[in-house]
Amino acid sequence: DTGVSQNPRHKITKRGQNVTFRCDPISEHNRLYWYRQTLGQGPEFLTYFQNEAQLEKSRLLSDRFSAERPKGSFSTLEIQRTEQGDSAMYLCASSPGNQNEKLFFGSGTQLSVL
Amino acid sequence: AQSVTQLGSHVSVSEGALVLLRCNYSSSVPPYLFWYVQYPNQGLQLLLKYTTGATLVKGINGFEAEFKKSETSFHLTKPSAHMSDAAEYFCAVIPHNGGFKTIFGAGTRLFVKA
Repeated sequence: DTGVSQNPRHKITKRGQNVTFRCDPISEHNRLYWYRQTLGQGPEFLTYFQNEAQLEKSRLLSDRFSAERPKGSFSTLEIQRTEQGDSAMYLCASSPGNQNEKLFFGSGTQLSVL
Repeated sequence: AQSVTQLGSHVSVSEGALVLLRCNYSSSVPPYLFWYVQYPNQGLQLLLKYTTGATLVKGINGFEAEFKKSETSFHLTKPSAHMSDAAEYFCAVIPHNGGFKTIFGAGTRLFVKA
């Protein structure tokens, strides 16, 4: 069990640029989640996948955000035309699949938009 | 919509004192309940969870939480604080009828004084 891996750990970009983050979940986990966390707040749900299917997407998520999990393994989160308000820690988590299962979190990708 | 309220964004205790972190949820049907901890520069990890059965749940590092349906609460306690307990603590829920999305509270930062 190598845990949930996220890359990069830090990303600094200029406003208007596109960024992409990658998440590698624990290999046998079929659910994968993306959350966003800003200072002083709890993780905010963005979207989740069961295998390769994206089952839910937060209404708060603008259409500049897109996520994929093409083969049901790793996932990518892309933000187009970044804005300063997108600056946050982006967290990925995975779980085995039962509803009451805990989440296993990665260390996150810290995005700073200048 | 389901929500989680954590009373107190910051709690400070002396080493050896009781730790009490408060969490209330809002739903008529009790959800699955969790406490996660985030140590500095680390990912979130599960402390404990309540799904069914005994309402007093024991977790790692000497923490425990009690589910009280009548109070819609799931407060986290530890009899004697240790310096290493300094971290941010998040209460979280998965609604029974809400799919597989974990909803987090805003978090409580615990400070432990020597």
